Amino acid sequence: GAGVSQSPSNKVTEKGKDVELRCDPISGHTALYWYRQSLGQGLEFLIYFQGNSAPDKSGLPSDRFSAERTGGSVSTLTIQRTQQEDSAVYLCASSPNYGYTFGSGTRLTVV
Amino acid sequence: DAKTTQPPSMDCAEGRAANLPCNHSTISGNEYVYWYRQIHSQGPQYIIHGLKNNETNEMASLIITEDRKSSTLILPHATLRDTAVYYCIVRAPNRDDKIIFGKGTRLHILP
Repeated sequence: GAGVSQSPSNKVTEKGKDVELRCDPISGHTALYWYRQSLGQGLEFLIYFQGNSAPDKSGLPSDRFSAERTGGSVSTLTIQRTQQEDSAVYLCASSPNYGYTFGSGTRLTVV
Repeated sequence: DAKTTQPPSMDCAEGRAANLPCNHSTISGNEYVYWYRQIHSQGPQYIIHGLKNNETNEMASLIITEDRKSSTLILPHATLRDTAVYYCIVRAPNRDDKIIFGKGTRLHILP
């Protein structure tokens, strides 16, 4: 597609359940980023993939969070044993070498 | 930490030029200045970027000081739809590093 696609657009889950969020970047973009944005807050960096290099996981808030990028394209962000503080909009962005294109995000609500 | 500082909020009358400042005093010689904006409930949107020369596109103009330690994003004729949070970031192309967004400037366009 022409843009970065994220799914689902909305997810409501019960506390303690695992969730998977998907990001389809723009074809050919080598870099892929995950951010999250809690209500009324700025963008919080989570993880960054660049080509075949080891990902930069320095922004992941706990070991309940993990992400992978298969074949240098689609990425999945997994949150295990979700907590209420995980509720946020999770944004994915991809980039060729400069400039970002963001997806519309996944709004995660943990109840 | 973000490498840029911006005022937390600004007001601008509809139809007037909105001038959004950004300080990036530690910018490196090969780093570009990028501007993004985030309209409520949407992913951030690219606006413009530049290295040292002033830039203009259909959305905005970017004025970078001669010492490159600060810049100003200009929306020439602000409309209500320009109400958003505006983020200024610096980044070198082709670099394997994550980008940290600051808190941005919340621009209110007043009717």
